[in-house]
Amino acid sequence: QVQLVESGGGLVKPGGSLRLSCAASGFTFSDYYMSWIRQAPGKGLEWVSFITGGGSVIYYADSVKGRFTISRDNAKNSLYLQMNSLRDEDTAVYYCVRDNGGGTYSAFDYWGQGTLVTVSS
Amino acid sequence: QSALTQPASVSGSPGQSITISCTGTSSDVGGYNYVSWYQQHPGKAPKLMICDVSNRPSGISDRFSGAKSGNTASLTISGLQAEDEADYYCSSYRSSSTLVVFGGGTKLTVL
Repeated sequence: QVQLVESGGGLVKPGGSLRLSCAASGFTFSDYYMSWIRQAPGKGLEWVSFITGGGSVIYYADSVKGRFTISRDNAKNSLYLQMNSLRDEDTAVYYCVRDNGGGTYSAFDYWGQGTLVTVSS
Repeated sequence: QSALTQPASVSGSPGQSITISCTGTSSDVGGYNYVSWYQQHPGKAPKLMICDVSNRPSGISDRFSGAKSGNTASLTISGLQAEDEADYYCSSYRSSSTLVVFGGGTKLTVL
């Protein structure tokens, strides 16, 4: 069965860096677009970044552009999010999500359990 | 402020039907049939309930249906059940550098 398992969250000071990882299993990872989506405590969902199956096309939300970098290693069935220059407002649960393959970019059929990133001094 | 507008809350009694609206613009909801709906129970990850405006993924009850008119999409839940009580989010593809936008979420209370 499809599984997405995030890791790497934790407490970091403003201006600091963190790298999130997502281990995928149960499907042919390289065939699927992937995204990171976050949810601040008690708030709604916010799409963060997207990467195609081969990694050649990448998009970012304006709120993280220039600070976050998405990448993937298809040989390791893994998705990453490098987060630099972290701000208080980046505090959230970060979900690794799979696009359903329909080509619409906004249908996410599998979600990880999420990893909490807390930015605080 | 979220990119897509949803009511903060809706409620209904068991067995009734409710509809949640999701209003965007011609650059997202109105311009493409790429609207999805997610259900999220407290402390859990969201679950895809509807994609491409009105398609139900495998395993999703036919009590859930989606539609769209102009710049507004809607999710209807018929035959409300206690387990439907959750937060619901809409999302859409957007033709800009911001690829995907979400609504602010709607809390459904089953009375």
